Amino acid sequence: AQTVTQSQPEMSVQEAETVTLSCTYDTSENNYYLFWYKQPPSRQMILVIRQEAYKQQNATENRFSVNFQKAAKSFSLKISDSQLGDTAMYFCAFMRVQGAQKLVFGQGTRLTINP
Amino acid sequence: KAGVTQTPRYLIKTRGQQVTLSCSPISGHRSVSWYQQTPGQGLQFLFEYFSETQRNKGNFPGRFSGRQFSNSRSEMNVSTLELGDSALYLCASSLAGAEETQYFGPGTRLLVL
Repeated sequence: AQTVTQSQPEMSVQEAETVTLSCTYDTSENNYYLFWYKQPPSRQMILVIRQEAYKQQNATENRFSVNFQKAAKSFSLKISDSQLGDTAMYFCAFMRVQGAQKLVFGQGTRLTINP
Repeated sequence: KAGVTQTPRYLIKTRGQQVTLSCSPISGHRSVSWYQQTPGQGLQFLFEYFSETQRNKGNFPGRFSGRQFSNSRSEMNVSTLELGDSALYLCASSLAGAEETQYFGPGTRLLVL
């Protein structure tokens, strides 16, 4: 079974700073997808970024980028120039390519951006 | 394009009752997945439907069931409610399931008294 671990329950940074959220996962699969979702106080789960395991290039979406280390089974999220609107719970998630079409989530990291 | 919608948004029930939650996927999406979110257990997969068939099921008791209609809308039902069923229930849709990103609805918050 796959597991996802987020070792930072809470983080807090000042506005405009850069912050990195950590995620590690365990799987015997070779092909899979990794995601970062954010869940603001409204509880709406919003996709931040997606990474395909077969791609060596790290995914980027505007201020959001990942550091994907397949051998180390590590998938960290970097938020540059953080904004107050980035305050949310951030979840790392894993999904197999073959088999059950389900997301396996980490425990989440509560990120607070301070003015 | 409208996002995933879920109704109702909030629900209060008492132990022993049953409840039905509804999810309308993004237009064109054929796969619908359900997740339960609680402070203690986090986010857990309930089941996934594709073309009116349940393709995958998580580790939940038989009191949790669901179905999908021909227009891809999905419902989940919880019978004989227990206090521990209090949670945020999230629905997510994707185009065809495999290799597709799941997009989430706003959730239904269920409180069981």
